[in-house]
Amino acid sequence: DSGVTQTPKHLITATGQRVTLRCSPRSGDLSVYWYQQSLDQGLQFLIQYYNGEERAKGNILERFSAQQFPDLHSELNLSSLELGDSALYFCASSAEEWNIVGQFFGPGTRLTVL
Amino acid sequence: SQQGEEDPQALSIQEGENATMNCSYKTSINNLQWYRQNSGRGLVHLILIRSNEREKHSGRLRVTLDTSKKSSSLLITASRAADTASYFCATGLYNQGGKLIFGQGTELSVKP
Repeated sequence: DSGVTQTPKHLITATGQRVTLRCSPRSGDLSVYWYQQSLDQGLQFLIQYYNGEERAKGNILERFSAQQFPDLHSELNLSSLELGDSALYFCASSAEEWNIVGQFFGPGTRLTVL
Repeated sequence: SQQGEEDPQALSIQEGENATMNCSYKTSINNLQWYRQNSGRGLVHLILIRSNEREKHSGRLRVTLDTSKKSSSLLITASRAADTASYFCATGLYNQGGKLIFGQGTELSVKP
């Protein structure tokens, strides 16, 4: 158990819908990262927040947005969903702003868009 | 876009043998990390090597880094069936926060 929690574990929805994925980092960690894992794209970095502020951005679609709240939990919002958005979405956390000792990953949310 | 390419894509060995996985990357890095993933579950951090380090050990794991060749290798010695998993290298870049760019992974199967 990494100490990072993600909800829900599974999500099935229809095209055009909007969903919210939630992540709670390990106690004391200030950085939260979001990744998408799919068969065709592999593991893709989406975005990082550090202590409430956006710190780094990857190939995150405009239909996707994220935020980190004062209690440090984070939410990833996916809107106007398409079939290709079906994937595993991982949240990870670390204590620091940069990678010094590695990231701790949550169990993931499996999103299926029908 | 993928920074790293891993080789081989799949590796099957017997328990007790050593497993070597290789990773190549394209741009200058701050550090390189290896992660393990069991069958669609969360990734587990194994080891981190900084760009100014050449070799690092952790238990049965040995990682090397050659920045001149932009490559790294992960050696698992005396493998066990429980080592069966996918292994990913990930590069941390300068001035890009904690962003990691992952390779496509090597699927390791250790047969008892």
